[in-house]
Amino acid sequence: DQQVKQNSPSLSVQEGRISILNCDYTNSMFDYFLWYKKYPAEGPTFLISISSIKDKNEDGRFTVFLNKSAKHLSLHIVPSQPGDSAVYFCAASRSGGGADGLTFGKGTHLIIQP
Amino acid sequence: DTAVSQTPKYLVTQMGNDKSIKCEQNLGHDTMYWYKQDSKKFLKIMFSYNNKELIINETVPNRFSPKSPDKAHLNLHINSLELGDSAVYFCASSQGRGSNYGYTFGSGTRLTVV
Repeated sequence: DQQVKQNSPSLSVQEGRISILNCDYTNSMFDYFLWYKKYPAEGPTFLISISSIKDKNEDGRFTVFLNKSAKHLSLHIVPSQPGDSAVYFCAASRSGGGADGLTFGKGTHLIIQP
Repeated sequence: DTAVSQTPKYLVTQMGNDKSIKCEQNLGHDTMYWYKQDSKKFLKIMFSYNNKELIINETVPNRFSPKSPDKAHLNLHINSLELGDSAVYFCASSQGRGSNYGYTFGSGTRLTVV
């Protein structure tokens, strides 16, 4: 039962262009969403998050958009840089978290081509 | 100065053995977690531990037991290892139990059961 889905296992983007990573969720109780970035042989590192009371959050080159009615969020990276090549995980949680922790998607492998 | 450190990084062991993975965080966080990334690349929470309160994901076999000697450590002990336990195990910590706080992950322990 995948409550958080990232349907693109991989995405290839040219350097300097925009990268758009998508994520869908099914549990309407989720009210906080996060993106993590992971390099090989390292743990995931927190990138950006958004609360369900917002529809957009921006941090430098990274912007996360949330469409609650569609249960969809996306991460935009612009401009894309070679160092952005990594696996990106979408994660969701309910207020209070705790036992449930974060529910992760399977990840999307972003490849930035020179 | 690694914020969340796990040892060992790699662990190869035979079926039926008992093994432990250690985790330490120097962030002063009050909540620690263990996540498992299986062969399908899903990251799933196993345990969360906050202020001596342990919350267990009901799907985790009781062969797995977390041990917390103090707030900065949450070790994972596994009894009678099985082939299906092969995975990457990530320790994480956060300030507060709610997932609205950023999680900091360790770099993972790749466990291979042969």
